[in-house]
Amino acid sequence: GAVVSQHPSRVICKSGTSVKIECRSLDFQATTMFWYRQFPKKSLMLMATSNEGSKATYEQGVEKDKFLINHASLTLSTLTVTSAHPEDSSFYICSASGQGAEDTQYFGPGTRLTVL
Amino acid sequence: DAKTTQPNSMESNEEEPVHLPCNHSTISGTDYIHWYRQLPSQGPEYVIHGLTSNVNNRMASLAIAEDRKSSTLILHRATLRDAAVYYCILIPSGTYKYIFGTGTRLKVLA
Repeated sequence: GAVVSQHPSRVICKSGTSVKIECRSLDFQATTMFWYRQFPKKSLMLMATSNEGSKATYEQGVEKDKFLINHASLTLSTLTVTSAHPEDSSFYICSASGQGAEDTQYFGPGTRLTVL
Repeated sequence: DAKTTQPNSMESNEEEPVHLPCNHSTISGTDYIHWYRQLPSQGPEYVIHGLTSNVNNRMASLAIAEDRKSSTLILHRATLRDAAVYYCILIPSGTYKYIFGTGTRLKVLA
């Protein structure tokens, strides 16, 4: 199946700093990438959707200035958590679909962010 | 948004078949039914998907009711590695959003 990687797998940062998470599709071109967050014992919640070369579409309640998304190529999307605070600590997961937005999504392994 | 209902948890003995149910009574005619599973501290893993007909792949089988208001994911022989949270997701017609419910936590007993 299609492989999606994320880097880093875990990151610890101080409050007020920014953190960048990379999401790559390794063996297919991803026209659309998605970012989710997941709190402990909870389900995944979609944060935003990005298409290559376009601005991301954010879900209601997600601050676009806080969670900056860039989808510069068909294999790479980045999520930057700006001025991180402890409440941003979560498990961030990306997914990618290869043949249009309605295609099956393949998920990355996730990034555990801890903000001190 | 199309909703799904799954039992919170299920148990199975190793080497035995497991039937994971999902109700989706508000499904639309063109909504696909997708199943994913998530192991602890990992991203969801694609399992199988279908529209109307039953589907089989190397991981599992998907049985879809004739009226499409429910479906069942079938693991033919559960192993300890199958212990995970299983999500049944409808892809709403004309959109691409995955709306994750609470899923079913499957426990496999040795």
